[in-house]
Amino acid sequence: DAKTTQPNSMESNEEEPVHLPCNHSTISGTDYIHWYRQLPSQGPEYVIHGLTSNVNNRMASLAIAEDRKSSTLILHRATLRDAAVYYCILRGLSGGSNYKLTFGKGTLLTVNP
Amino acid sequence: NAGVTQTPKFQVLKTGQSMTLQCAQDMNHEYMSWYRQDPGMGLRLIHYSVGAGITDQGEVPNGYNVSRSTTEDFPLRLLSAAPSQTSVYFCASRNTGGYGYTFGSGTRLTVV
Repeated sequence: DAKTTQPNSMESNEEEPVHLPCNHSTISGTDYIHWYRQLPSQGPEYVIHGLTSNVNNRMASLAIAEDRKSSTLILHRATLRDAAVYYCILRGLSGGSNYKLTFGKGTLLTVNP
Repeated sequence: NAGVTQTPKFQVLKTGQSMTLQCAQDMNHEYMSWYRQDPGMGLRLIHYSVGAGITDQGEVPNGYNVSRSTTEDFPLRLLSAAPSQTSVYFCASRNTGGYGYTFGSGTRLTVV
């Protein structure tokens, strides 16, 4: 499975934008980039995903580099409820990789009031 | 919709005991998975299922059994509990053409 690299931790202030980076230099052409987050004492929660183009939804935006070797999850206005561990995960389309999520340690986001 | 429901939320077992962690989803999702999460770590896949009657092993399957007799339920059985199985267990499900998995709230298991 292709591997992702994320900073261990990041800090932000409430109501400011947050850019969470992820490197995935060995990504294959059919791997989708997925982001999940895990709030304290909860199960992971799907945030967003993309393949090549930038994506927006109600929770966040995903900016994907042109060479697809990195991506950035953008929270436009961080709130205290966004404090969580954020996981960047590559998910393929073929065989077992379609059904599996390989979690790293993620980025622990702290939001200061 | 309840989503993915896991029971129990907490459990303490003695070494050698067996038990079943329950997972049920009411979204008619084809794909279901079990993960474990150890302190300070990401989740690791134990077993997964792509439909009723079809299961396969994940990254850390030893000591666990699964079966999928219905679309809704995907129980995880610990055959003979060991302290190394102390962890938080998460069940997840996804539709065939869906994007993201829906996770349950977890079962915190302690084996003494």
